[in-house]
Amino acid sequence: NAGVTQTPKFQVLKTGQSMTLQCAQDMNHEYMSWYRQDPGMGLRLIHYSVGAGITDQGEVPNGYNVSRSTTEDFPLRLLSAAPSQTSVYFCASSYAKTGGSGELFFGEGSRLTVL
Amino acid sequence: GNSVTQMEGPVTLSEEAFLTINCTYTATGYPSLFWYVQYPGEGLQLLLKATKADDKGSNKGFEATYRKETTSFHLEKGSVQVSDSAVYFCALGNSGGYQKVTFGIGTKLQVIP
Repeated sequence: NAGVTQTPKFQVLKTGQSMTLQCAQDMNHEYMSWYRQDPGMGLRLIHYSVGAGITDQGEVPNGYNVSRSTTEDFPLRLLSAAPSQTSVYFCASSYAKTGGSGELFFGEGSRLTVL
Repeated sequence: GNSVTQMEGPVTLSEEAFLTINCTYTATGYPSLFWYVQYPGEGLQLLLKATKADDKGSNKGFEATYRKETTSFHLEKGSVQVSDSAVYFCALGNSGGYQKVTFGIGTKLQVIP
């Protein structure tokens, strides 16, 4: 059972470059989300989706785009990378659509460095 | 809005010592509360959870009780092991509506033999 799969695990970009972080889950979860993890800041929600075709902004959405064309996939796009986007990114999914009582399942993370 | 407060650490303990990591929260309504653990180089995984006041979550010797009167969800373990070395995150899920989980900054625990 693969769970949540993120690619790539590591990436180095130059300022202004674009890239997409991929996230796929095989648990038929409706809810998917992206977090970034920074020292002293914990995890902060970037964007989330409650189903195919439905996305919304989290706490720190600026500089990131998302789309959800299928239940399985939820890519995160950086259109013009900035050094402030250097971070570890986690994708997480859940079976719980409402109530906040469901467990989040995390990928292993993608470490991004922007020079 | 919702928020979670926990100490960043690091917390260093000797093996078999008693562990407490404090967590307090601010939220409207009746959120669910979680502890997640992140081992080195890995993603987060759920350690335990509680969905209503006075519930006790437990797993792998860890426990936490949902205290609405003190808005707290402190993590405890009676005897830690070296393998418990990790970062522990307290988190809360919004009550009602779609799931949005708010995390604390994480507490790094180092257990030495």
